[in-house]
Amino acid sequence: AQKITQTQPGMFVQEKEAVTLDCTYDTSDPSYGLFWYKQPSSGEMIFLIYQGSYDQQNATEGRYSLNFQKARKSANLVISASQLGDSAMYFCAMRVQSGYSTLTFGKGTMLLVSP
Amino acid sequence: KAGVTQTPRYLIKTRGQQVTLSCSPISGHRSVSWYQQTPGQGLQFLFEYFSETQRNKGNFPGRFSGRQFSNSRSEMNVSTLELGDSALYLCASSLSGQGQETQYFGPGTRLLVL
Repeated sequence: AQKITQTQPGMFVQEKEAVTLDCTYDTSDPSYGLFWYKQPSSGEMIFLIYQGSYDQQNATEGRYSLNFQKARKSANLVISASQLGDSAMYFCAMRVQSGYSTLTFGKGTMLLVSP
Repeated sequence: KAGVTQTPRYLIKTRGQQVTLSCSPISGHRSVSWYQQTPGQGLQFLFEYFSETQRNKGNFPGRFSGRQFSNSRSEMNVSTLELGDSALYLCASSLSGQGQETQYFGPGTRLLVL
C-alpha cells in the first residue's frame, strides 16, 4: 500500500516570495510517479508537475519545481515568486507502476498568498 | 484540446433518492477514474474504467456504481443516498490508466444530500 503525508495543514507566504510545500511518501514499489495538483476554491484539480522515481533530475515546470530526495522519500513542491492566484489547496499524490494502480493523495496543504 | 467535463456541476438531492453523474474524458483518453472528496476523508478512489470495463474499485458500498460507454464517457450512480454521500465527486481521465500516467481532472460535481 502507498501512503502520502503532507504535514503542513496551512502555509502563508507574501507575494513574490518562494514557498516550499512538504510531501513525504511511502511505498515498497521501486517504480512510481509523484504528482502535485492544485485545487482552487472552484474545486477543479489542476495538474502541476510530475516526477518519476527513476528520473535523475528534479522536475521543473515554469515557477514550479519538485525537490525530489529519493533516499528520504520526500517530494517537496517549490513555488518561486508566489502570486495571489497561487492561493489554493495543494495535493501531493503517488501512483505506482505495477498494475492499474490508482492515485493516492495526501491530505493537502492550504496555501495563502498575501499582497 | 478540450479538458475533462463533468455534468451537472451542482446537485441537491434528498436522502433515499438516487443520482447519476456524468464525465466526458479528454479526447483520446480511454481510462476514466472517479474520486470522492470530503472534508473528513479527503480524496478517496471510487473506481476506474477502461474500454467499458471496471478495472479497479475502491472500498465503497455497492450503492456506488458506474459504467463506461464505447466513446469512453462514463457515468457513476449512487442509489439510496445518505447524508454522508454529500461530497465533491471528481472524474479524471488518462490515456490508458497504466503505470505513472498523469490523470487530468474535471471540475467536479458538488452533491448535497439533505
